[in-house]
Amino acid sequence: AQTVTQSQPEMSVQEAETVTLSCTYDTSESNYYLFWYKQPPSRQMILVIRQEAYKQQNATENRFSVNFQKAAKSFSLKISDSQLGDTAMYFCAFLNYGGSQGNLIFGKGTKLSVKP
Amino acid sequence: DADVTQTPRNRITKTGKRIMLECSQTKGHDRMYWYRQDPGLGLRLIYYSFDVKDINKGEISDGYSVSRQAQAKFSLSLESAIPNQTALYFCATSIEIGQGVETQYFGPGTRLLVL
Repeated sequence: AQTVTQSQPEMSVQEAETVTLSCTYDTSESNYYLFWYKQPPSRQMILVIRQEAYKQQNATENRFSVNFQKAAKSFSLKISDSQLGDTAMYFCAFLNYGGSQGNLIFGKGTKLSVKP
Repeated sequence: DADVTQTPRNRITKTGKRIMLECSQTKGHDRMYWYRQDPGLGLRLIYYSFDVKDINKGEISDGYSVSRQAQAKFSLSLESAIPNQTALYFCATSIEIGQGVETQYFGPGTRLLVL
């Protein structure tokens, strides 16, 4: 069974600085997707970024980028120029490509606080 | 208007009561999911449906049932609510592309308190 581990329960960063959130996963599959979701205090689950495992190039979305290390089964999220609105819970999630179940496997989350 | 809506947004009920949480989507997606979020545990899958005639149990289906009334509607029922079902409940949708499964999009969540 796949598992997702986020080893940092809480992190903080000063506004305008850069922060990296860690995620590791365990799977025997070779084709899969990885995601980072953001959950602000409004509790909405918002997709931040996604990565297809077959793509070697790391995904980037504006200030958000990932460092995908397939061999190490690592998928970290880097937030550049942190903003107060980035304060939220961040969840790393795994999805088996073409899986019969198709559900996301979530980590337990990292609570990020951006300080002014 | 939101693509995925959930009603109610908040609900307080008593032990033993039957309640229904509803989810509707305008994204035209075939696949719909119900997840539960507990503090410190992330989200866990309760039930999922790949089309109107397809219903499947997820990781934690005991005590829950679902109904897929139409492509756009997927309801979650607690037949006899108990306090440990107090949680935040999310509906999600996705579309299958080829052999893969596309990104899942979440509703705003329903906060349920069972007294």
